[in-house]
Amino acid sequence: AQKITQTQPGMFVQEKEAVTLDCTYDTSDQSYGLFWYKQPSSGEMIFLIYQGSYDEQNATEGRYSLNFQKARKSANLVISASQLGDSAMYFCAMREAGNQFYFGTGTSLTVIP
Amino acid sequence: NAGVTQTPKFQVLKTGQSMTLQCAQDMNHNSMYWYRQDPGMGLRLIYYSASEGTTDKGEVPNGYNVSRLNKREFSLRLESAAPSQTSVYFCASTERGFPYEQYFGPGTRLTVT
Repeated sequence: AQKITQTQPGMFVQEKEAVTLDCTYDTSDQSYGLFWYKQPSSGEMIFLIYQGSYDEQNATEGRYSLNFQKARKSANLVISASQLGDSAMYFCAMREAGNQFYFGTGTSLTVIP
Repeated sequence: NAGVTQTPKFQVLKTGQSMTLQCAQDMNHNSMYWYRQDPGMGLRLIYYSASEGTTDKGEVPNGYNVSRLNKREFSLRLESAAPSQTSVYFCASTERGFPYEQYFGPGTRLTVT
């Protein structure tokens, strides 16, 4: 079974609008971490936001927030007030108690002016 | 503070040739990783090293070997390159435990003809 599932291969959003990128995960661990990374067309991987399994509040970092629904095993990324520079691939990842990270297949976001 | 560095940035090999991808980090991280990224498949773990002196197989280890030379350096070797190994290779490092995210190198684009 896939550890991380991203069901949206591609998404479009109008500039200045908000967009939600979906991520579901599968683990039987009680302790785990969830991450989102951005990969622009230049290719580098940029860390955006982290959510721990025991965190009671949703994580926020500037225009990024993570909608964490533990019972549903979902960790959706919300980008508010989209900008042209947000056009990129976005990857959801999970770290369990061991040292491995598991990545989803990514969502390509295009911001339309 | 360079973070994670990888060499080379680009490489073209003929089938059957061998080569080593080099990775170094200057953040004193214990754990290091090698991933490959192929279109539509996200990042897949090849090998990782939880700490100096240890290495473990990831999801797609066949055709690769690794060496954790010291705490800073983690190399990936292709003994006999195949066209199926055409990919972008990323090295990453992190500290053990939560909430530590991975830091990625810039990637190596490898083409095997």
